[in-house]
Amino acid sequence: QVQLVESGGGVVQPERSLRLSCAASGFSFSNYAMHWVRQAPGKGLEWVAFISYDRSKEYYADSVKGRFTISRDNSQKTLYLQMNSLRLEDTAVYYCAKASGFDIQNWGQGTQVSVSS
Amino acid sequence: QSALTQPASVSASPGQSITISCIGTNSDIGDSKSVCWHQQFPGKAPKVIIYEVNKRPSGVSYRFSASKSGNTASLSISGLLPEDEAEYFCSSSTTSNSLVFGGGTKVTVL
Repeated sequence: QVQLVESGGGVVQPERSLRLSCAASGFSFSNYAMHWVRQAPGKGLEWVAFISYDRSKEYYADSVKGRFTISRDNSQKTLYLQMNSLRLEDTAVYYCAKASGFDIQNWGQGTQVSVSS
Repeated sequence: QSALTQPASVSASPGQSITISCIGTNSDIGDSKSVCWHQQFPGKAPKVIIYEVNKRPSGVSYRFSASKSGNTASLSISGLLPEDEAEYFCSSSTTSNSLVFGGGTKVTVL
């Protein structure tokens, strides 16, 4: 079955960087687009970024554009989110999600990112 | 991109039916085939219960159904059960190549 396992979260100071990973299994990773979505404490879901199956398309939310970069390694079946210049408001659980077109099909279990001085 | 509009909460007794609305614009729901609904229990990851406006993934109960009319999507739950108590989020692709979520609706089974 589809498994998405995020890692790389933690506590980081403002303006520092962090890279999240999402290891995929149970499906043909190279054939599917992927999203990153986050959820701040006690808040709703916020879309962060999208990457197409072949890396030809990348889209970002305005709130992270220029600071975050989504990427993928199809040979390693892994999705990444490079987060630079982190802000207090980036504190959230970050989920990776498998997509069909733009539709989310499956969610990972999430990894916590806390930005704090 | 503004969030889609959902009621903050809906409550009903076991066995009853409820409908949750999700109001968007011509730039998202009104122009999208990629409207989904997600169920989330406290402290857990979301789960997709509806995709492509009205399709149910394998394993999701037939009691969940959905539709779209104009700029509004709707999720219906029939024969409400205690285990349906959760938060429900809608999502839609947008004409600006992004994804937008609703603010979430907490469903309480009385």
